[in-house]
Amino acid sequence: GAGVSQTPSNKVTEKGKYVELRCDPISGHTALYWYRQSLGQGPEFLIYFQGTGAADDSGLPNDRFFAVRPEGSVSTLKIQRTERGDSAVYLCASSLTSVPSTDTQYFGPGTRLTVL
Amino acid sequence: GNSVTQMEGPVTLSEEAFLTINCTYTATGYPSLFWYVQYPGEGLQLLLKATKADDKGSNKGFEATYRKETTSFHLEKGSVQVSDSAVYFCALSDQQGAQKLVFGQGTRLTINP
Repeated sequence: GAGVSQTPSNKVTEKGKYVELRCDPISGHTALYWYRQSLGQGPEFLIYFQGTGAADDSGLPNDRFFAVRPEGSVSTLKIQRTERGDSAVYLCASSLTSVPSTDTQYFGPGTRLTVL
Repeated sequence: GNSVTQMEGPVTLSEEAFLTINCTYTATGYPSLFWYVQYPGEGLQLLLKATKADDKGSNKGFEATYRKETTSFHLEKGSVQVSDSAVYFCALSDQQGAQKLVFGQGTRLTINP
């Protein structure tokens, strides 16, 4: 079956612009996660949705970052007034439930964001 | 807060060599532990996991044992292949409520024929 998909695969933007990154989770998965991976580092947690609501947004670096999941499926990560330091690969993952001991997070291929 | 420390890379081995990648963690409570792998040009994939102390996760010839007394989850494989070349990430998830994964910085492994 289809895995987690993310669009676009690459996004180049200019400092100060607004960007949206999209994630399509595996069908039927209720939990959705966003991570950010800088070059040479492990992924860092940004936000986690259970259904339509953000259950944990403690990883969002500041109020320029926002994410939604209005119908409990597709999610969009929105970044306002982009800065060069936002350049990274943004990863989305989904899991059937949100119980880490019995469930697996499946990752998408990521969106590489470059802010010039 | 919770954290994961991994053996720094890169690691280069010859085919059929024995592999160990060290991973230690700091966490409150009883986390679940994971190894994820990222093959060239591909996304992160779960390699193996362990959910409680003394559990052993295994997959594709790789093994890791959850050691609470040493707060470690070292990855091992008895005989590596060229196809094992990838970046390996150790991670934990707090079972107390937070669903996020906390990752180590990754270890790049290259296997030469």
